[in-house]
Amino acid sequence: DAKTTQPTSMDCAEGRAANLPCNHSTISGNEYVYWYRQIHSQGPQYIIHGLKNNETNEMASLIITEDRKSSTLILPHATLRDTAVYYCITKAGWAGGTSYGKLTFGQGTILTVHP
Amino acid sequence: EAQVTQNPRYLITVTGKKLTVTCSQNMNHEYMSWYRQDPGLGLRQIYYSMNVEVTDKGDVPEGYKVSRKEKRNFPLILESPSPNQTSLYFCASRFPWRGTDTQYFGPGTRLTVL
Repeated sequence: DAKTTQPTSMDCAEGRAANLPCNHSTISGNEYVYWYRQIHSQGPQYIIHGLKNNETNEMASLIITEDRKSSTLILPHATLRDTAVYYCITKAGWAGGTSYGKLTFGQGTILTVHP
Repeated sequence: EAQVTQNPRYLITVTGKKLTVTCSQNMNHEYMSWYRQDPGLGLRQIYYSMNVEVTDKGDVPEGYKVSRKEKRNFPLILESPSPNQTSLYFCASRFPWRGTDTQYFGPGTRLTVL
C-alpha cells in the first residue's frame, strides 16, 4: 500500500465545503484510494473510494488527479457532525496474503467544523 | 439494518482474568477482523478471518486468540489480560467483493486492564 500524507488538522465553517487533501505519490496502478472517518472514538466509517475517475455519493465527492498522485475529499456542505478524523488509505484491489482485507490507517486529518 | 455489533462496549478487568469480546455482523460477510487503537499508534490489526474456520494473525496478535465457528461471529479472546492490552478495540467486516475494501466497523470496546 502506498504511503499517504495528509495535513494534521483543518478547520471549516459550517455550511461551507470542506476540502481534505491527500498525497499518495507512490500509488501503483492497481491501488484504490479510500476515505474513512472516525468520529470521536467511534468505529471508523467508510466514506468513498475511487481508482481513477472522480466519484460522488451521498456523503462526499472524491477528486483524483490525472496522475493519481493526490486526491481531495470534498464534503460539500459541512455540518458540526462532520467533525472527525479523516483517513486517506490506498490499497490494491487484489492484495493477497496478509494484506488481504487489512486497512493501514495513518494519523489522518482532524477536521473541525465550527459554527 | 446492516451492522457490526460488539459486546461489551466498556470493560474494566484485572490482570490474568480471562475475557471475551464478542463481535457479530448481519451482512453475511466472509471477512472479519479485529483492530486495536492506541494514542499515537493508530489502528493496528490483531487477527483476521477470511471465512469460517480460517483465521490468521495480523500485525499485533500476541496475547490474543480468536475463533470463527460461524460466519456471523468472530470473538476476541484474551486468555490472560495484561495492562498493555488496555486499548480501544474494533471489530470489522468486509464486503465480499475482492475488488474493493469497503469495510464496516463496530462501535468499539474500551478495555481497561488493571
